[in-house]
Amino acid sequence: EPEVTQTPSHQVTQMGQEVILRCVPISNHLYFYWYRQILGQKVEFLVSFYNNEISEKSEIFDDQFSVERPDGSNFTLKIRSTKLEDSAMYFCASSVNSADQETQYFGPGTRLLVL
Amino acid sequence: RKEVEQDPGPFNVPEGATVAFNCTYSNSASQSFFWYRQDCRKEPKLLMSVYSSGNEDGRFTAQLNRASQYISLLIRDSKLSDSATYLCVAQPQNAGKSTFGDGTTLTVKP
Repeated sequence: EPEVTQTPSHQVTQMGQEVILRCVPISNHLYFYWYRQILGQKVEFLVSFYNNEISEKSEIFDDQFSVERPDGSNFTLKIRSTKLEDSAMYFCASSVNSADQETQYFGPGTRLLVL
Repeated sequence: RKEVEQDPGPFNVPEGATVAFNCTYSNSASQSFFWYRQDCRKEPKLLMSVYSSGNEDGRFTAQLNRASQYISLLIRDSKLSDSATYLCVAQPQNAGKSTFGDGTTLTVKP
């Protein structure tokens, strides 16, 4: 069964450093998403991406965040200057389209720790 | 008020018990609803979509009441492997942004 994959599984970085989290969505999917989950808290939407542009973003997704589809398979989330409060699990998801009841499939996540 | 609100839990039940989780949503523009399960430190995995007519998948039954903006999940004959956090999710029409509830933790004990 096709899966969303994410790398790395864990990332430790110093405050102020840039990080890039990588995702490979399911191959025939057209919509891509990033979510985050701070330890002990709920899953929060960050951004959705379709046709090489952001279709929606939350208030969490400020100027420090950016997303890119650099090639036909990867979807990346960049945090330019990490803060302590960016420490969280970051989940990538993808879906075939954005129609009603369309399932989003989540990757295993990248656990980011900012020191 | 939270956009998606779930029973706080936790629920601790014996094997074989029937357990029900409730969820309410505040955004009347929400059109699609799902239940996901999340095991500790893992990604959310789709358990089932929730349809207006209600739907069943084996031991799991989901109900939606649009008038009351209420969603439920019923688990019958619970198994040890059902132990997880259950996440209620709402989406607006034709949009990808999913809004998650805080989750309700279920522990099934022998």
